[in-house]
Amino acid sequence: KNQVEQSPQSLIILEGKNCTLQCNYTVSPFSNLRWYKQDTGRGPVSLTIMTFSENTKSNGRYTATLDADTKQSSLHITASQLSDSASYICVVSPRSSGGSYIPTFGRGTSLIVHP
Amino acid sequence: KAGVTQTPRYLIKTRGQQVTLSCSPISGHRSVSWYQQTPGQGLQFLFEYFSETQRNKGNFPGRFSGRQFSNSRSEMNVSTLELGDSALYLCASSSSLTSGSYYEQYFGPGTRLTVT
Repeated sequence: KNQVEQSPQSLIILEGKNCTLQCNYTVSPFSNLRWYKQDTGRGPVSLTIMTFSENTKSNGRYTATLDADTKQSSLHITASQLSDSASYICVVSPRSSGGSYIPTFGRGTSLIVHP
Repeated sequence: KAGVTQTPRYLIKTRGQQVTLSCSPISGHRSVSWYQQTPGQGLQFLFEYFSETQRNKGNFPGRFSGRQFSNSRSEMNVSTLELGDSALYLCASSSSLTSGSYYEQYFGPGTRLTVT
């Protein structure tokens, strides 16, 4: 069964500090992995998308890494800001083989940034 | 360019009723996907439509159905509502031509459905 596990479940950090969120998956065969940021009451917003051949992808202060061998990804946030307070969701998509394609979502990490 | 819009934003229904939610994708996007988000299960994929055809479906009962019109607008219908259907229903559009591909997905703000 395809699964995506995210850790930690929640995280509290001080403004200006860095943090790293983890995503482990069992989806196979693997097509791409996405990180989303979801503010309370709003739809998710894409941060990064990586295929199995990519090791790292950056989007401003957000840097995602991928190790397809160990099936692990991380999202590093640099110099956190109050606006980074949100839920961060990891989504893994299988490689479409002409059959059913169902992306698997992690439960998310809730990040709170305190001033 | 306008983003993905969903209507209504909030809805309260009674058990046993049916409901229809609407999603208008970003102009030019032909792929529309629907998702259910609950505190207990997180985000789950419902189905995806492309050029008026359902090309992927998640593991939801047949009470959940959808359709897409020629202008790419999509509707989702839930019949015989149950308490457990209370959730945030999100739709996302993409310019993707194939399922599961590398294209960016843009989410709408969602419809908050409460079943009493």
